[in-house]
Amino acid sequence: NAGVTQTPKFQVLKTGQSMTLQCAQDMNHNSMYWYRQDPGMGLRLIYYSASEGTTDKGEVPNGYNVSRLNKREFSLRLESAAPSQTSVYFCASSEQTGANSPLHFGNGTRLTVT
Amino acid sequence: GENVEQHPSTLSVQEGDSAVIKCTYSDSASNYFPWYKQELGKGPQLIIDIRSNVGEKKDQRIAVTLNKTAKHFSLHITETQPEDSAVYFCAANITGGFKTIFGAGTRLFVKA
Repeated sequence: NAGVTQTPKFQVLKTGQSMTLQCAQDMNHNSMYWYRQDPGMGLRLIYYSASEGTTDKGEVPNGYNVSRLNKREFSLRLESAAPSQTSVYFCASSEQTGANSPLHFGNGTRLTVT
Repeated sequence: GENVEQHPSTLSVQEGDSAVIKCTYSDSASNYFPWYKQELGKGPQLIIDIRSNVGEKKDQRIAVTLNKTAKHFSLHITETQPEDSAVYFCAANITGGFKTIFGAGTRLFVKA
């Protein structure tokens, strides 16, 4: 039981390049999330998927797109990377489709945009 | 929108001492307050949570208290050990929504 798996672990991009961050969970959770973590700012929600087939914007969605491919997988795409997107990205999932359910996080993708 | 403030940003204690981290939230409709521990190179992991119908919850050396009137909640770690060294995040859930709002984090150092 791997929990939440993210790939890749590290990535360096040049400004303007695109990439997709992959996330998969094996806990049969309904909801999935993408967060970014920046020093002194905690974790900020980029996008979330309450259930398979739905996605919604979080606090900081600009410059990103997501796809809920199936119940297990939720990907995050940067179409044209910018230095401001240098961050550590975490995928998470939760069991219930509601607010009172703890998040299970992957180990993150460290992205640097030069 | 919802905001969660967390203090202190850094905390250094001697092994065996207690550590207290405090958070305040702005949305009085928030009703679920989890705490996460993040070790270096890993994602945050839930260590304890509390719901708004409870004032205090304890799990071995860790306790959380909630004051709904003041919109404060706190994490208490007793008999700290070097392996408690990590970054701790408080969070609050907006009622009826899917969004968890995080505090900025507290880096705890436990000196042996």
